Amino acid sequence: QKEVEQNSGPLSVPEGAIASLNCTYSDRVSQSFFWYRQYSGKSPELIMSIYSNGDKEDGRFTAQLNKASQYVSLLIRDSQPSDSATYLCAVPLSGGYNKLIFGAGTRLAVHP
Amino acid sequence: EPEVTQTPSHQVTQMGQEVILRCVPISNHLYFYWYRQILGQKVEFLVSFYNNEISEKSEIFDDQFSVERPDGSNFTLKIRSTKLEDSAMYFCASTGQGRVEKLFFGSGTQLSVL
Repeated sequence: QKEVEQNSGPLSVPEGAIASLNCTYSDRVSQSFFWYRQYSGKSPELIMSIYSNGDKEDGRFTAQLNKASQYVSLLIRDSQPSDSATYLCAVPLSGGYNKLIFGAGTRLAVHP
Repeated sequence: EPEVTQTPSHQVTQMGQEVILRCVPISNHLYFYWYRQILGQKVEFLVSFYNNEISEKSEIFDDQFSVERPDGSNFTLKIRSTKLEDSAMYFCASTGQGRVEKLFFGSGTQLSVL
């Protein structure tokens, strides 16, 4: 069974700090990785995608990928209370571009 | 920005009843999906649909479930005989590409089976 694992949290950080969210995946051949944000009672919203080893930055968000370690992370700089949400790591099933496997998500709480 | 529309936002039904959840994907999208999320649990893939047929389905998507694109705009999920464990938020999603890189989710239908 292909899995995506995340620490459920909650991860509590003060406003302005860096939040670091981690994800591991079991499918060695996965080529693309996604981070979604989900506010309580709302639908997932794509915030970052990453395909190559290394870092990818978009505004306050940085995704980091290490395929050898099967590890992907999301850093949120200058965390704001509005960043408080559950962050879902998602990986397409190998070779199956039709099926996105989600982790259980890490709940982030940014306190003023 | 274009969006995926789902109706109703909430659906309450009695166990054993049939329900139809409706979705209007983004107009030029060709690939459609249903996911569900039981309260406090993971978002789970149910089914993908392309060119008027199912591309892939999960173990959850058994004979009680069916999908249909009855016209050029709607995409529906039917549950024939609902069970208590079908209670969940059901999300419709679509993408214009044959890949899930940019998956647009609807706002969901909260299904409660009593």
